[in-house]
Amino acid sequence: DIVMTQSPDSLAVSLGERATINCKSSQSILHTSNSKNSLAWYQQKPGQPPKLLIYWASTRDPGVPDRFSGSGSGTDFTLTISSLQAEDVAVYYCQQYYGPPPYSFGQGTKLEIK
Amino acid sequence: EVQLVESGGDLVKPGGSLRLSCAASGFTFSNAWMTWVRQAPGKGLEWVGRIRSKTDGGTTDYAAPVNGRFTISRDDSENTLYLQINSLKTEDTAVYYCTTGGSYYADWGQGTLVIVSS
Repeated sequence: DIVMTQSPDSLAVSLGERATINCKSSQSILHTSNSKNSLAWYQQKPGQPPKLLIYWASTRDPGVPDRFSGSGSGTDFTLTISSLQAEDVAVYYCQQYYGPPPYSFGQGTKLEIK
Repeated sequence: EVQLVESGGDLVKPGGSLRLSCAASGFTFSNAWMTWVRQAPGKGLEWVGRIRSKTDGGTTDYAAPVNGRFTISRDDSENTLYLQINSLKTEDTAVYYCTTGGSYYADWGQGTLVIVSS
């Protein structure tokens, strides 16, 4: 099974500054047939269900602000928030959906304001 | 607007059973692959299992910790997804979310809480 590992576990960033969260998979999740990486990012605020931010590693879900971006390929991926806003305080999860299940999530990264 | 409303969560004793429901609206449920994800209190997200649409076979996949104890089913006439949970263990204590999609998950319900305790 594919194991997803996020770093750091927690992060404190000043308002308006850049936040970067990393996600590493235990094996490549790149489909060579279409050059797409089976990686999604979610944001979860306290008491709420997760919200899809990005899929296929870099495609923003409709309505997601463009300060959120995803990058990476193969086994190493990054979620970047270009200019942190107060409403971005949350826990962020990566998730792989490569090949047949089971699918798996990273352990989460808690993002706070410095 | 997509709506997913889970129900059926409860306090149950170890070894007990429970059936969770997810009422769906706002999209063509019969065409959708659906997935259950759970979250233990204060912990991260855990993929539980998924069911394909009937036109894609209606088959299911499960995570290893629940395989053989959990059964996902669907009633397309009622636009409802189910999760039958048997032989409950304390480690099954979690909020259970239903989601749309078989790969990544665009829509989530608010979840239903299952507590397994003696």
